[in-house]
Amino acid sequence: RKEVEQDPGPFNVPEGATVAFNCTYSNSASQSFFWYRQDCRKEPKLLMSVYSSGNEDGRFTAQLNRASQYISLLIRDSKLSDSATYLCVVNPWTTDKLIFGTGTRLQVFP
Amino acid sequence: DAGVTQSPTHLIKTRGQHVTLRCSPISGHKSVSWYQQVLGQGPQFIFQYYEKEERGRGNFPDRFSARQFPNYSSELNVNALLLGDSALYLCASSTGDTTYEQYFGPGTRLTVT
Repeated sequence: RKEVEQDPGPFNVPEGATVAFNCTYSNSASQSFFWYRQDCRKEPKLLMSVYSSGNEDGRFTAQLNRASQYISLLIRDSKLSDSATYLCVVNPWTTDKLIFGTGTRLQVFP
Repeated sequence: DAGVTQSPTHLIKTRGQHVTLRCSPISGHKSVSWYQQVLGQGPQFIFQYYEKEERGRGNFPDRFSARQFPNYSSELNVNALLLGDSALYLCASSTGDTTYEQYFGPGTRLTVT
């Protein structure tokens, strides 16, 4: 089983749509969680950290369910500029490495 | 503020050769991590250095080595290059505290022929 699993997509949605991505992780001791965004042939950029209480940043909402070892990202009112690959990232307990999922590709069309 | 910088941006090498990739972290950041990303996959952890000491090592062969300098910049060295080493090599910078938020440089795209 992969340490971090994501649906690779692609998710093709119209502008203005709401889209949700899910991710599961295998190490129950994991302590830190993130969503990164990666544009084609560019570096990953930190989108948001994910906290146990859930957190929101504008149109983006992240949720964490420790019992189910599940992380989600919700994007409301999708923009063309949201088209990218979204990487679910986990930091296992007591280590500093980040473990990445393979990413979920989002394509927003007019 | 300057972000993470990496050099070179692109590199073409032949099998068996050696390569050195360089990274400068964000000012004030003391930790540098290296990742390898092959097409269609997420980045894979190679090394992390904090205050010039190796803090973590991923599942990569001994052909891969790294070091961090007193100014917190870092080098990744790969010996005896294989075709499978062709990838985007990413450097990430962080403060080294427990937030574990890491910020990536633009990467070096290595092609081994």
